[in-house]
Amino acid sequence: LAKTTQPISMDSYEGQEVNITCSHNNIATNDYITWYQQFPSQGPRFIIQGYKTKVTNEVASLFIPADRKSSTLSLPRVSLSDTAVYYCLVGDRGGADGLTFGKGTHLIIQP
Amino acid sequence: ETGVTQTPRHLVMGMTNKKSLKCEQHLGHNAMYWYKQSAKKPLELMFVYSLEERVENNSVPSRFSPECPNSSHLFLHLHTLQPEDSALYLCASSQDYRGGADTQYFGPGTRLTVL
Repeated sequence: LAKTTQPISMDSYEGQEVNITCSHNNIATNDYITWYQQFPSQGPRFIIQGYKTKVTNEVASLFIPADRKSSTLSLPRVSLSDTAVYYCLVGDRGGADGLTFGKGTHLIIQP
Repeated sequence: ETGVTQTPRHLVMGMTNKKSLKCEQHLGHNAMYWYKQSAKKPLELMFVYSLEERVENNSVPSRFSPECPNSSHLFLHLHTLQPEDSALYLCASSQDYRGGADTQYFGPGTRLTVL
């Protein structure tokens, strides 16, 4: 079971780039890394998924170093509406291990 | 998110009541999930169904009874609940059940209060 560790909370300001790092030291060869965003009283929303190197989509980038023991979610030019909890999940295609959400990182964006 | 709908959105019930939560996905997915999220706690996986068969049951008390009549619908039947069962119950679906590699699409949740 690949356990993940994230900061409990982070603060930033509108217009800044925010980087949230997730540690997963015992990640397995077949594991993928997935990030979700959750607003209060709503279901989580998929942000991005990656296996290695860098992945970019319209809302975020995901950086994964060669050893894959950590990953960094990068949110460019955040706004107040990016205030949410961000979860890092690590798991493979074989079972429910990757469905453990953990406590996530509470990101607070200030004006 | 209109892909996964949940009803009701809010539910208040007594400990002796029987109620059901309903989830419907309009995405053509083969896997569906129930999660529980208590106040200030992480999401807890409760059940997973793949192609209408239960594939995961995370030591959930028998007062929670899931039902998946087809790949588009998922129910959670509730009976003789306890106040500590008050939480946000979230339904999700994914194309297939492949553990952590699948992208899950969540519904808005049902806020349950047990008196």
